[in-house]
Amino acid sequence: SQQGEEDPQALSIQEGENATMNCSYKTSINNLQWYRQNSGRGLVHLILIRSNEREKHSGRLRVTLDTSKKSSSLLITASRAADTASYFCATDAAGNTGKLIFGQGTTLQVKP
Amino acid sequence: DADVTQTPRNRITKTGKRIMLECSQTKGHDRMYWYRQDPGLGLRLIYYSFDVKDINKGEISDGYSVSRQAQAKFSLSLESAIPNQTALYFCATSGPGWETDTQYFGPGTRLTVL
Repeated sequence: SQQGEEDPQALSIQEGENATMNCSYKTSINNLQWYRQNSGRGLVHLILIRSNEREKHSGRLRVTLDTSKKSSSLLITASRAADTASYFCATDAAGNTGKLIFGQGTTLQVKP
Repeated sequence: DADVTQTPRNRITKTGKRIMLECSQTKGHDRMYWYRQDPGLGLRLIYYSFDVKDINKGEISDGYSVSRQAQAKFSLSLESAIPNQTALYFCATSGPGWETDTQYFGPGTRLTVL
């Protein structure tokens, strides 16, 4: 079964607005990562946040992690039409399993 | 040139046929993975390999087998394809380390089993 559950499943916003996606997971983790997938293409890594971190920034991306609630959020600020894609969270479970478990993803549409 | 390549990119086959999907990487990574993606679902892990002599089953290995021919090559086989194996298949690699590093994905193989 999948570790992560993402909310919402789909999100449609206007260009310039902010987009927030949430991810919940079930077990203790070493880190949580966010990936982006353009339609039918391979996933591209966006950002990694470790279990001892609470917030991380990369350009227009802001990721938060709340290990007590087993949840994370990805904020994309000042969205652009080019941000249209699916976004997946993935967790590396504690105990060094050496593999990532992916959520079902959030499909983001940014309208120009 | 892409760091992680997959061949073929698209394949249509018939039920019962044997299919091999190939993955090659130039990143020098030891760890390689095979995933499948179905519409509306995230990626599910089929098999993974931490080095040439290490093969591990993932979440959904039934009906699949793999071969790690070299550090740079990891192949996925469907011994007798069935229609519910129609999906998008991705290969990925990651570097060493106590924690799983970032995974780097190939472009995917779209497989249709009729």
